[in-house]
Amino acid sequence: DVKVTQSSRYLVKRTGEKVFLECVQDMDHENMFWYRQDPGLGLRLIYFSYDVKMKEKGDIPEGYSVSREKKERFSLILESASTNQTSMYLCASSPPQDLNTEAFFGQGTRLTVV
Amino acid sequence: GDSVTQMEGPVTLSEEAFLTINCTYTATGYPSLFWYVQYPGEGLQLLLKATKADDKGSNKGFEATYRKETTSFHLEKGSVQVSDSAVYFCALNYGQNFVFGPGTRLSVLP
Repeated sequence: DVKVTQSSRYLVKRTGEKVFLECVQDMDHENMFWYRQDPGLGLRLIYFSYDVKMKEKGDIPEGYSVSREKKERFSLILESASTNQTSMYLCASSPPQDLNTEAFFGQGTRLTVV
Repeated sequence: GDSVTQMEGPVTLSEEAFLTINCTYTATGYPSLFWYVQYPGEGLQLLLKATKADDKGSNKGFEATYRKETTSFHLEKGSVQVSDSAVYFCALNYGQNFVFGPGTRLSVLP
């Protein structure tokens, strides 16, 4: 069974803290993605990566950074958490697009910044 | 750029009612099309997909047909159950990325 695993289901952090959200996939996928999901706004792409050590900005990268040191792991970093980063964060992975397959999602991390 | 539009809902139905959730897309080229489902507090799960025009995806009683002429991929189910209550997302792939619709919340009442 294919799997994308996010390190935490729920997190509560204080304003100004540095926050790490970890995502691991066991499918040897090249592509990995971080989205945030907010009511009424759907899924918004924060960052994505096509390969190890590669990263590309998505639609809303401000206040975030990412790290991909190994193919199976893609980390999202909030350098200085703020209350407007309270959200549901979803990690996904996929093979290259020419295989016409879907994205596989983790279970999500609900982050609350207080 | 590529985009997906779907009815936002919420949609409330009685058990055993017929379900349609409309989805239309704008794309250059020929994307694959997907429906995902999200149960409360969970991530997105693939419900069904279609990779070329006139393909029909189906799963768990849900169906959708890739209509290139109308750029649509409407989700249907003949008889919904309370357990189908969830948020449904239409999506397409574009380049190496995916574009998602805003989601449609479905509530099924017993």
